[in-house]
Amino acid sequence: DSGVTQTPKHLITATGQRVTLRCSPRSGDLSVYWYQQSLDQGLQFLIQYYNGEERAKGNILERFSAQQFPDLHSELNLSSLELGDSALYFCASSVAQSYEQYFGPGTRLTVT
Amino acid sequence: SQKIEQNSEALNIQEGKTATLTCNYTNYSPAYLQWYRQDPGRGPVFLLLIRENEKEKRKERLKVTFDTTLKQSLFHITASQPADSATYLCAREGSGGSYIPTFGRGTSLIVHP
Repeated sequence: DSGVTQTPKHLITATGQRVTLRCSPRSGDLSVYWYQQSLDQGLQFLIQYYNGEERAKGNILERFSAQQFPDLHSELNLSSLELGDSALYFCASSVAQSYEQYFGPGTRLTVT
Repeated sequence: SQKIEQNSEALNIQEGKTATLTCNYTNYSPAYLQWYRQDPGRGPVFLLLIRENEKEKRKERLKVTFDTTLKQSLFHITASQPADSATYLCAREGSGGSYIPTFGRGTSLIVHP
């Protein structure tokens, strides 16, 4: 158990809908990272937050957004969902800016 | 852009043998490489980090090497066990020394009893 929690574990929704994925980092970790993993793309970095502020952006679509709250949990919002958004979404956390990241169990999103 | 290449074909070995997985990188040598283990439907688990100036690093039955001439890292599991069966991901530092790693697609290891 990495100490990172993610909810929900599974999510099935229809195209055009909006969903929110939630992540709680390990106790004491200030950085939160979101990744998308699909069969054809591998693990792709989406966005990082550090102590409530956006720190780095990767291949995140404009339809996606995230935020980190004062209690350090983070939410990833996915809107206008498309079939191609079906994937595993992982949250990871680390102490400040650290090479070693701890991943959560992931949320499996299925868009039908 | 920096890339990490891992063999997409699964590696099948017998229990007790040494498994060796390869990670090749492109462009400039990264300051570090990382190895993660990922089980189906679960998040990656950090295993080892090796820095550019560390030719070899060990942790229990795991050994990682870093060859800047070949632009390659090798990941070894000695005395492999069926429980070692998983996908192993290699990652390098992001562009500009970023803390955001660039991951390879991973290589699946299957250890047969």
